[in-house]
Amino acid sequence: EDQVTQSPEALRLQEGESSSLNCSYTVSGLRGLFWYRQDPGKGPEFLFTLYSAGEEKEKERLKATLTKKESFLHITAPKPEDSATYLCAVMRDKIIFGKGTRLHILP
Amino acid sequence: GAVVSQHPSRVICKSGTSVKIECRSLDFQATTMFWYRQFPKQSLMLMATSNEGSKATYEQGVEKDKFLINHASLTLSTLTVTSAHPEDSSFYICSAPPSGRASDTQYFGPGTRLTVL
Repeated sequence: EDQVTQSPEALRLQEGESSSLNCSYTVSGLRGLFWYRQDPGKGPEFLFTLYSAGEEKEKERLKATLTKKESFLHITAPKPEDSATYLCAVMRDKIIFGKGTRLHILP
Repeated sequence: GAVVSQHPSRVICKSGTSVKIECRSLDFQATTMFWYRQFPKQSLMLMATSNEGSKATYEQGVEKDKFLINHASLTLSTLTVTSAHPEDSSFYICSAPPSGRASDTQYFGPGTRLTVL
């Protein structure tokens, strides 16, 4: 069965404290892996799409990487405005979302 | 990035009534759109795939007679929750791929909060 597991469920960091969020997946025939940011009461905001193992993408303080079994979202020197839920999703014949990691950055 | 809008953003209705939610792609044409439901602190669950000019495809366990989907044009899909009940209260979100390929990046609408009393 296709599965997407994100860890940790929640993470509290001090401002400036770098860390990584994990997304592990068991999907055969992966066609793409997506990272989204979701603020409370809003729709997901697109961050990255990764298609193949070894691929990396960066945007401001965020960097996403992909291996054959998992993806990491690295956040460098986070700021309070980076607080949100980060969702990972994989695409095979349909999109499957993980439950997300709730990230809280303390000032 | 591409823009997807939803209307209304919030709706409260009485049990037994029907509610229509609109999803529009504002700066691209969307032959395919997707509808999701999200319960508090849960992930997004795909409900159905909306196809312009043809019938929607529903995920297992989603009642097609309860959740009516109409993809009337290349920029508009509607989800009608018929005879709504309190258990239908949820956050409904739509998405669409600007490329037209379902496997490509999806852009999401802002969501519609449905509360059924």
